[in-house]
This record gives sequence, structure tokens and C-alpha cells, in this order.
Amino acid sequence: DAGVTQSPTHLIKTRGQQVTLRCSPKSGHDTVSWYQQALGQGPQFIFQYYEEEERQRGNFPDRFSGHQFPNYSSELNVNALLLGDSALYLCASSKGNPLVGEAFFGQGTRLTVV
Amino acid sequence: DAKTTQPNSMESNEEEPVHLPCNHSTISGTDYIHWYRQLPSQGPEYVIHGLTSNVNNRMASLAIAEDRKSSTLILHRATLRDAAVYYCILRGGAQKLVFGQGTRLTINP
Repeated sequence: DAGVTQSPTHLIKTRGQQVTLRCSPKSGHDTVSWYQQALGQGPQFIFQYYEEEERQRGNFPDRFSGHQFPNYSSELNVNALLLGDSALYLCASSKGNPLVGEAFFGQGTRLTVV
Repeated sequence: DAKTTQPNSMESNEEEPVHLPCNHSTISGTDYIHWYRQLPSQGPEYVIHGLTSNVNNRMASLAIAEDRKSSTLILHRATLRDAAVYYCILRGGAQKLVFGQGTRLTINP
């Protein structure tokens, strides 16, 4: 089992550009969540997808959008990039009751905005 | 979201037990206590979770206070590979994980 895979691993973009990050969940998982982790901070929840719908959203602007495909893989899109969007973007997959289930995280995509 | 409080950092020696504390005085009756850790240059990984009773698994033990206002993650015999940031998280039904600053654990050889 490959676990959660994210691509690309590193990315450099220019301010104002748009970026798409990709995530393949762990086999058998149907729920995908995205987190942003700034340097030295804990991960912050962006949103979660289940059955191709956004189920919950954190305190992030509309520039952050996502999508989940029928095979449960997911994309995170960020428009009009700002320098402050530079961070590690983490994808987590899960299945079943979130109270007792564990989330599996990918290695993340390191985004640098210059 | 119910808040947790953890020490910013802790240090221990290899092959000794480590007790990582977490305070959660505003915990509700239905909140589960989860622990995750993040090794350098990796995504977080699940460690353990519990509701009321103490829990053990292959990685660690979780001791929960009788009033549930605090808990302790116990690594019975720390190795250098246990050096990581440890996060204590309450889950009460929300889909998301709410991470705080966590405790940075340093293991000395």
C-alpha cells in the first residue's frame, strides 16, 4: 500500500500565479482533507472532501478551492498567489467515523511563492 | 474547538521513558483525545487515541485523568527516531483536526 501520495514535492511560483496540488488517498479511503503548515507552526485545516463534495471548510479565503474525483483523489487550487501562501501543504485521507478513525498524511508539497 | 495546552519543548534520553503532558480543561463528554506526531520533513502520523480509559498500542500508552481534564502520552523506551513534534488534539465530531503548537521532543543519545 503506497499510503497517501502528493505531487509535486516542491514547487516555486511567482506572486499572482495559480497553482494546483494533487493528492491520492490511501487505498480504501474516501475522505480527503487539506492542511496548510507554515514554518514552525502546526498544520491548519483548509477543507475536506467526501463524495466529491466539500464537507467542511476552515478559515481560508475563496482563493483556495478544491476538487475530489470519483476515484477519491483530490486537487487543491490556489489562485492569485501571495507571498504568505508559502508553506507546506499536507493532504490527509481517512475513512469512517472521525471520532475514532485515524488520518493518514502524505509527505506534503512545499510551495514557495516569490 | 476545545483547546489543549502542551509544553513547547521537552528533552529526554535514549532508552528512558518519556511522559508528554496535555491539559484540556474545557473538554466535553464526547471529545476523544488523539495524539499525532510529526517527524522532521514528514507529514503528521497517528499515535494513539482514547476517550476515558487508559489505552496502549505498539507505539505508546495514553493515560487519561479521571476528570478527563488532562492526559499524558507515554513513550516507554524512547529512541532517537521518536524525536518529533507531538500534538494533542480533541475530536468532538468535527471532521477536521485542530493542531496547536505541539511539544517538540528532543532525544539525547
